[in-house]
Parts: sequence; C-alpha cells; structure tokens
Amino acid sequence: DGGITQSPKYLFRKEGQNVTLSCEQNLNHDAMYWYRQDPGQGLRLIYYSQIVNDFQKGDIAEGYSVSREKKESFPLTVTSAQKNPTAFYLCASSAQTNTEAFFGQGTRLTVV
Amino acid sequence: AQSVTQPDIHITVSEGASLELRCNYSYGATPYLFWYVQSPGQGLQLLLKYFSGDTLVQGIKGFEAEFKRSQSSFNLRKPSVHWSDAAEYFCAVGVYSTNEKLTFGTGTRLTIIP
Repeated sequence: DGGITQSPKYLFRKEGQNVTLSCEQNLNHDAMYWYRQDPGQGLRLIYYSQIVNDFQKGDIAEGYSVSREKKESFPLTVTSAQKNPTAFYLCASSAQTNTEAFFGQGTRLTVV
Repeated sequence: AQSVTQPDIHITVSEGASLELRCNYSYGATPYLFWYVQSPGQGLQLLLKYFSGDTLVQGIKGFEAEFKRSQSSFNLRKPSVHWSDAAEYFCAVGVYSTNEKLTFGTGTRLTIIP
C-alpha cells in the first residue's frame, strides 16, 4: 500500500540532545512537508521541500533542520536550539505543493 | 497570499443532528479547497476536495461541502452525525500556482453528545 510512514510514533529525549524524526513516502510525490502541532494551535509549517536536494523554511524553522537527499525521504532534526520541542510532529507529501497533501500518523516528541 | 478562516474553534452537536462547519478563504482567483479530519493522536485524513466543476462535492464518511464563490466559503456538512465523527476538522486552500503550498485553517473541534 502506498503511503507515508513516520517513525517512531512516540519519542522521548533529554533536554539538550538532538533528535531526528523519520518520514518516508512511497507515493512518488515530489513535495514533502513537516508540520508541528500544539494543543489548540492547528498546524504550523516547519520546512517543506518541492524537489530532491531543495527545501525551504516554513513559518517556524528556528531550531530545526532537514535534508532531502532522496525523493522518498525527508527527515527532520530537532536540535538543542529549539526552545520548546515537546509537540506532535506531522509529515506530509503531495504531488505538487498546491494539491492535496497526504499525512503520516505523526510522531509525539517529549523532551524531559 | 491566500488565507483561510475557520470561525468556530469548538462545536458541540447531538448524535443524529445535522452538522455544518464553516470555512472562509481569501484569494483572488478560484482556489483549490480541501477538508481534512484528524482523530486524536493521528494524522490528517482527506475528506473531500474541490478543484473545479460542480460546486457541491461529496466526500468520504457521508460528508459533503459546497463551494460558494460569492461568499468565499467552502462549508462542510453532514445530515446526521455519528459519535465516531468527533474529531478535529481542518479546511485548507491551495492556489493555481504550483509554487504555493497549501494554507490550513486553525481547525474546528467537534464534540458529539448522546
């Protein structure tokens, strides 16, 4: 089945450590996205990529980094510079940036 | 740039009652419009989409939405809600230019009471 896989579903890290969230898609989509979701705040775009080896900052990119070395993979690193990293992170992909996005099941990151 | 507004943060309806969730957009040309649903702790699932043509679109789970250009709206409706419809609902707008990404509303949380 085609889809987007985020792993792990739950992740715990100590404060000050970098952590990388995985996102893989087999939909052959060019565009991929990372969103952060906090209670009552909807979706906030962290980074997006329209094509391999290219990515753009979203609205809240500070403290995060991404790479897009392969079409099917778009990992997100939450660095120690992110002041409040505990959140629910959603990855998505789409054929083009203006068409419907397909979402993974999310990763809940807790930093203690 | 386009924008989308969901005026209702939280709506409560009785099981079996009808539902309408509001979505207003701001964009000069005909937008692409989407409704998504999110259950707690899950990703977003596409309910329906409008690109062009018939302004009344049918989606999954018995939902429909109507595009009204004159009102810049794309409201989501369901004739009779079920307890399993309790979730967060997001409206999103896309534009013709392929360089523009989707813009999401802030969501409406739907609670169903017996």
